[in-house]
Amino acid sequence: TQLLEQSPQFLSIQEGENLTVYCNSSSVFSSLQWYRQEPGEGPVLLVTVVTGGEVKKLKRLTFQFGDARKDSSLHITAAQPGDTGLYLCAGTLLNFGNEKLTFGTGTRLTIIP
Amino acid sequence: DAGVIQSPRHEVTEMGQEVTLRCKPISGHDYLFWYRQTMMRGLELLIYFNNNVPIDDSGMPEDRFSAKMPNASFSTLKIQPSEPRDSAVYFCASSFLEITGELFFGEGSRLTVL
Repeated sequence: TQLLEQSPQFLSIQEGENLTVYCNSSSVFSSLQWYRQEPGEGPVLLVTVVTGGEVKKLKRLTFQFGDARKDSSLHITAAQPGDTGLYLCAGTLLNFGNEKLTFGTGTRLTIIP
Repeated sequence: DAGVIQSPRHEVTEMGQEVTLRCKPISGHDYLFWYRQTMMRGLELLIYFNNNVPIDDSGMPEDRFSAKMPNASFSTLKIQPSEPRDSAVYFCASSFLEITGELFFGEGSRLTVL
């Protein structure tokens, strides 16, 4: 059973379009991270969100942490080919004394020029 | 600064052979993690170390897998004997101070067991 489900699993859109991908769980997380992974490389951290309802922006990327800290979304405005990659969310469960990151199933995004 | 360095980048071996993957974490980082990534199961944590001490190896699939960290700048993940289902990309990552802080990943070792 996956603690963090991401949707959609695959997404292919045209350059210039907007998109949103989701990261959902039935568990509460103390923090949540988003990573992007390009082919042949390891994941690279994009952002960390900590507070319920928090919104962070990174250029054309907007990240939101759900009020209940069980879910998160990533919205990309005017997608560019350089946004292509595997997007992974990773959460830290509220489990004091045994915290560790759990990665989601990932969304594979392809931006078509 | 050098990032996390893994070797080999690619390994092709036959079933039953021993495989050793190597990792050099970022200098000064207290935590080192070994992950395995497959299309079916995504990114799975195998084991992590804090200050060279193994803390949680509950993700290690079975006794064929072992990991060591003899010093702060080197870790190995060994599979003996290897099986085709071990084929995956194995990532090493390190982080500074916090287990839940930013993870810095290496480029991965792609293992194919025939």
